[in-house]
Formats: sequence, C-alpha cells, structure tokens
Amino acid sequence: SQKIEQNSEALNIQEGKTATLTCNYTNYSPAYLQWYRQDPGRGPVFLLLIRENEKEKRKERLKVTFDTTLKQSLFHITASQPADSATYLCALPPGGSNYKLTFGKGTLLTVNP
Amino acid sequence: GAVVSQHPSWVICKSGTSVKIECRSLDFQATTMFWYRQFPKQSLMLMATSNEGSKATYEQGVEKDKFLINHASLTLSTLTVTSAHPEDSSFYICSARGQGRLNTEAFFGQGTRLTVV
Repeated sequence: SQKIEQNSEALNIQEGKTATLTCNYTNYSPAYLQWYRQDPGRGPVFLLLIRENEKEKRKERLKVTFDTTLKQSLFHITASQPADSATYLCALPPGGSNYKLTFGKGTLLTVNP
Repeated sequence: GAVVSQHPSWVICKSGTSVKIECRSLDFQATTMFWYRQFPKQSLMLMATSNEGSKATYEQGVEKDKFLINHASLTLSTLTVTSAHPEDSSFYICSARGQGRLNTEAFFGQGTRLTVV
C-alpha cells in the first residue's frame, strides 16, 4: 500500500519568509496529489491539486511542485504570515482507486511575527 | 459553493450508548461521501466510503456493525457509532465529492469530537 511521509512534524519560521513543506510517497506514482490545510478542531480545507503530468502549480502565495522521479511534492508559502499557521496535509489516492484519499500525518507550521 | 455541514460538532456520551453523526452537502449533490477518524497528532484514517443508495464499503479493520453508515440521499450521510466505548473517542470527519468540477477535490465537514465517558 502507499505510504506517505511528511518528514517535518513541525516547522517554525519568521513572518515574511518562505515556508517549504515536503511530502514523500513510496511505491507507485499517483495520478494526482493534493494539499490541504487543517486548523485545530476543524476539518481539512482543500488548497491545491497537482496532476502527475504537471511540474508546478501556483495559487496566490502558494506553490506546489511534483517530482515523480523523486516521488516527492514540495509545498511553498511565500511571504508567510502568522495567519498561515496551521497543519498542512498531503493527500493522494491509494492503490486501486483514484477516488479515495490517503493522508500524511501533516506538518504543523508556525509563523512567528 | 460546495459546503459540507457536519452535526454535531461535539458530543459526550456514556459508554454503551449509540451516537449518530450527520453529514450534509448543502449546495451540491454528493455522489460519494467518506468517513474519517483522526486521533490527536495523527493522520486522517479512512473508515468507509458510501455511495448514495448502496451499502458502504469499509476499510480493513473497521467494524461495519459498530460503525453504521447510511447514505439515503445525495445530500445526507449518517454515521452511527453503536455501543460506544472510551476507545471510540476521537475526531470524526466526513467529506463529500460531487460530479464534474466538484469531483476534483474533497470537501470536508467541520468534524465531530466524540468523547465517550
């Protein structure tokens, strides 16, 4: 089965800097990969989806890359703000289904003012 | 658009009782709904997938007789935790996917914090 590793449990950065979060997966390459934001005691909120044939995707201050050779996705937040503090989850479809999602444990990002 | 509402947001129940959690898609038709459980500092673990009008498909290790799922309409799915025990205390989250553009991402409810005492 697919295994997802978000190798930083927590990341602290200074306001204005760029936050970079990593998501690695094992086994086969998924058709797409998604990133979600989760605040404490809340359900996840969708941020970005990147497909296997896309190298990079941007949305405002967010950028996602997808390297199927390295089996890795990087999630960047530029000009970070304290309001960006949250847990960020990487998700991708497990084997045998493009409809379900398997989630990583997430990285808790704290942006200090 | 694409709002999923989950109710209640929290519930405390006595051991041995049953608890029902509702998940509604407010402005779209959810062809498929998913139920997850999340323990503190852990990943979301998929419990089951339900399609409207058919039986839910449970993930390995999830007891279907304990976690009853009903998806009677395209806008409502319910999860009933039967004979709840303290180890069932967790954060339960539903998500829904629609058709067309709404099939690309999963829309999540706000979650239900279940505490069994």
